[in-house]
Amino acid sequence: SAVISQKPSRDICQRGTSLTIQCQVDSQVTMMFWYRQQPGQSLTLIATANQGSEATYESGFVIDKFPISRPNLTFSTLTVSNMSPEDSSIYLCSVQGGTDTQYFGPGTRLTVL
Amino acid sequence: DAKTTQPTSMDCAEGRAANLPCNHSTISGNEYVYWYRQIHSQGPQYIIHGLKNNETNEMASLIITEDRKSSTLILPHATLRDTAVYYCIAFSWGKLQFGAGTQVVVTP
Repeated sequence: SAVISQKPSRDICQRGTSLTIQCQVDSQVTMMFWYRQQPGQSLTLIATANQGSEATYESGFVIDKFPISRPNLTFSTLTVSNMSPEDSSIYLCSVQGGTDTQYFGPGTRLTVL
Repeated sequence: DAKTTQPTSMDCAEGRAANLPCNHSTISGNEYVYWYRQIHSQGPQYIIHGLKNNETNEMASLIITEDRKSSTLILPHATLRDTAVYYCIAFSWGKLQFGAGTQVVVTP
């Protein structure tokens, strides 16, 4: 299984600011995913990030609010832009391994004041 | 991807086997049954997956009915550290669709 790290592990931010979350994998992977988990809820997919192409966003998520970069096969970033308290969530990245199994990072806990 | 149905919660005694049911009556032939768990706000942890045959690994066993409409995840000897939300997902390729899962509480 892949080893995935995320930075920062948690942050407290002010309304109207932006935060960029980094996801680093210890091996090259084609598909990376970003999820959001709002308090007390299950995980919701934000977008799929493939290297060399633009991210594919799920219904309800837009690039202006959640821009994603995927510069290489081991790294991706998710930016949460113009934050409001409703953006307070855990943000998780995952990668798809060789057997199509997805492995998840530890998550970034974001609180917006 | 097919929808799955799981009980909201269940309790299990430490040291006993925990049997977690999942219904996936609309599963298609190419969809696997995946199980993940999430321990209090950590990233989900992959447990096991299967297509038709029963599967076993160091964490758990997965029993899939012959008609593939339901499955059971078995934790053979539950410990307190197995307290988590367990997710059953019917998945073929690409994006995982997480439902509400089953909150499992292992008690001493």
